[in-house]
Amino acid sequence: GESVGLHLPTLSVQEGDNSIINCAYSNSASDYFIWYKQESGKGPQFIIDIRSNMDKRQGQRVTVLLNKTVKHLSLQIAATQPGDSAVYFCAEKARAGGGNKLTFGTGTQLKVEL
Amino acid sequence: AAGVIQSPRHLIKEKRETATLKCYPIPRHDTVYWYQQGPGQDPQFLISFYEKMQSDKGSIPDRFSAQQFSDYHSELNMSSLELGDSALYFCASSRGDRNTEAFFGQGTRLTVV
Repeated sequence: GESVGLHLPTLSVQEGDNSIINCAYSNSASDYFIWYKQESGKGPQFIIDIRSNMDKRQGQRVTVLLNKTVKHLSLQIAATQPGDSAVYFCAEKARAGGGNKLTFGTGTQLKVEL
Repeated sequence: AAGVIQSPRHLIKEKRETATLKCYPIPRHDTVYWYQQGPGQDPQFLISFYEKMQSDKGSIPDRFSAQQFSDYHSELNMSSLELGDSALYFCASSRGDRNTEAFFGQGTRLTVV
């Protein structure tokens, strides 16, 4: 079936380095993607979104890249800080029959080392 | 800014009991989503509503039901609770029924004993 998943379950980076979190999706009908950050015991926090008519979108210290050809999404965090430590999820919505359903992929635990 | 409000934050129930979780979306948001998240797992989509009508349905057990009311708040009703229902339950809201940002509440932690 269709799914969204991440390649790496845990990512460790040094403070100040850039982080790249990847996400693969298999539903070619997906046309909207959101990255969420989730801290332990808290709700997912919206970081950035991107629509399928875009390849790149930038926010504050974050950039999302979308490669529709290979169905790949990435989140880049610049100058990673200890406060960035959390689990990151990508989520997608599909055009065909998607309704209102955000499908989450497997999270990646980002650990920032001092 | 106002966020999604969920209540209660914590709930302890015994097996076979019922539970009702409430979600108050961000003002002017007309779409609500419900998710279940077990320990160390991804949020699993349960059900969503748009303009008070069910919009999409995921892996929601038949023992669960939900609705969205005229003021756009939503309630998730859970009956015949099982130990496996213990999880974090999140609600999210968005405006419109297509590609707009969805924001999550802080969740309700349900423990079934």
